[in-house]
Amino acid sequence: GENVEQHPSTLSVQEGDSAVIKCTYSDSASNYFPWYKQELGKGPQLIIDIRSNVGEKKDQRIAVTLNKTAKHFSLHITETQPEDSAVYFCAASSWSSGSARQLTFGSGTQLTVLP
Amino acid sequence: NAGVTQTPKFQVLKTGQSMTLQCAQDMNHEYMSWYRQDPGMGLRLIHYSVGAGITDQGEVPNGYNVSRSTTEDFPLRLLSAAPSQTSVYFCASSVRGQGPYEQYFGPGTRLTVT
Repeated sequence: GENVEQHPSTLSVQEGDSAVIKCTYSDSASNYFPWYKQELGKGPQLIIDIRSNVGEKKDQRIAVTLNKTAKHFSLHITETQPEDSAVYFCAASSWSSGSARQLTFGSGTQLTVLP
Repeated sequence: NAGVTQTPKFQVLKTGQSMTLQCAQDMNHEYMSWYRQDPGMGLRLIHYSVGAGITDQGEVPNGYNVSRSTTEDFPLRLLSAAPSQTSVYFCASSVRGQGPYEQYFGPGTRLTVT
């Protein structure tokens, strides 16, 4: 089955700096890679996702890049703000028309943005 | 819409007791799933359902049962609680269709088994 590794487990940055979280996956059939943000005491919430036919996707201050050859993808947050402090999870799955295999999650990264 | 709701928020059980964690969604989502979250291990899939009357096992199904009699509800049953089942449990739902869709998570149930 799929195995997703996520690094680092904790990350502290100064407000305004950038943060990068990296994930690798093992199953070459995986073609969908979402990122979830979990605030304290809440359930995870999707913030951005990327499909394998795209190398990069941006949404305001966040971006995700995908390298299919190396089987890794990364989350980039620019101009970090205190409200970005949370646990971030990467995930991977494979899907085809009419069906979807399950998401496999990474172990999570605790991001702390220092004022 | 309330989205995905879970009850209770907190629960303490003694070893060997049984209980049911409730999950409901009001978005008419066909796909529902249960995850457990443990420190350093991310979210692991316990059971999932692609529609009423259909359930299947995930990565860590042992010790848990599910059923899906309606589209809205997907309860998770612990048959005989063990300390290893101490965890935070999340229910999620999504549309089932032609591609991958966002999974909406509930607020979680924190379970402690003593």
